[in-house]
Amino acid sequence: EVLLVESGGGFARPGGSLRLSCAASGFNFRSYWMHWVRQAPGKGLVWVSRINSDGTTINYADSVRGRFTISRENARNTLYLQMSSLRAEDTGVYYCTRNADPTWSFDYWGQGTPVTVSS
Amino acid sequence: QSALTQPASVSGSPGQSIAISCTGSSSDVGNYDLVSWYQQHPGQVPKLIIYGVNIRPSGVSDRFSGSKSGNTASLTISGLQGEDEANYYCCAYTGSGSPWVFGGGTQLTVL
Repeated sequence: EVLLVESGGGFARPGGSLRLSCAASGFNFRSYWMHWVRQAPGKGLVWVSRINSDGTTINYADSVRGRFTISRENARNTLYLQMSSLRAEDTGVYYCTRNADPTWSFDYWGQGTPVTVSS
Repeated sequence: QSALTQPASVSGSPGQSIAISCTGSSSDVGNYDLVSWYQQHPGQVPKLIIYGVNIRPSGVSDRFSGSKSGNTASLTISGLQGEDEANYYCCAYTGSGSPWVFGGGTQLTVL
C-alpha cells in the first residue's frame, strides 16, 4: 500500500521558517518524481514545487521561488520542503503527492500537514 | 502562470448528467494531453479521478469521463449520485518554469 505521511507543519511568525517532511512507503520512492501542493483555508489547490527522482531537476511556483527549497533523501524515502521568509499567504495545508509517470498527474496524496503563518 | 478557469459551482439532480469546464490557454490545456481532474470531499484528501484528459484510474466509476476541445477540458459526471457532491479541480501541465497549474475548483451540489 502506498503511504505518504507528512509532518513538520505548525505555527510560524511572518519571516520565519518551517521544514516539512514526507515519509513515503509502499513503493520504490527513488523512481518517482514528487510534488508539494498546498491549499489555503477554504480555497483551492495550488501546485508548489516538484523534484525529479534523483533531485537534479526542480521547479517552483512563482509565489514561493527563492523562499522555499524542495529536496529528497532517497535512502530514507523522504521528501522535504524547507520554507523560509514565510508570509501569511503561505498558510494552508501542505500535501505531499506522487507524480504518476508518464501522465504527470498526482496519483497518491498524503493526509497533509497544516501550516499557519501569523503575527 | 494563471490558474485555469472553472465555474465556481454547478448543480444537478440525482440521475442527471453535468459537465464542468476547465479553460486554459494554448500553452497548457491546448498544448498537452496532460489534463487531470481531482475530487475532494469536505475535510478529505483530493483523489485523482481522470488523467491524460480522459483516462480513469482503476477503481474510479465509469460515470466520470473527461474530454478536451482546444483550450478547454471538461469533466462529465453522468447518473449523478449524492456521493458525487464534492469539489472538483482540474490541473494541467504547462511546460513552463512553473509546470503545473490547477483550476480554482468547482463545487458540485446534488439537489
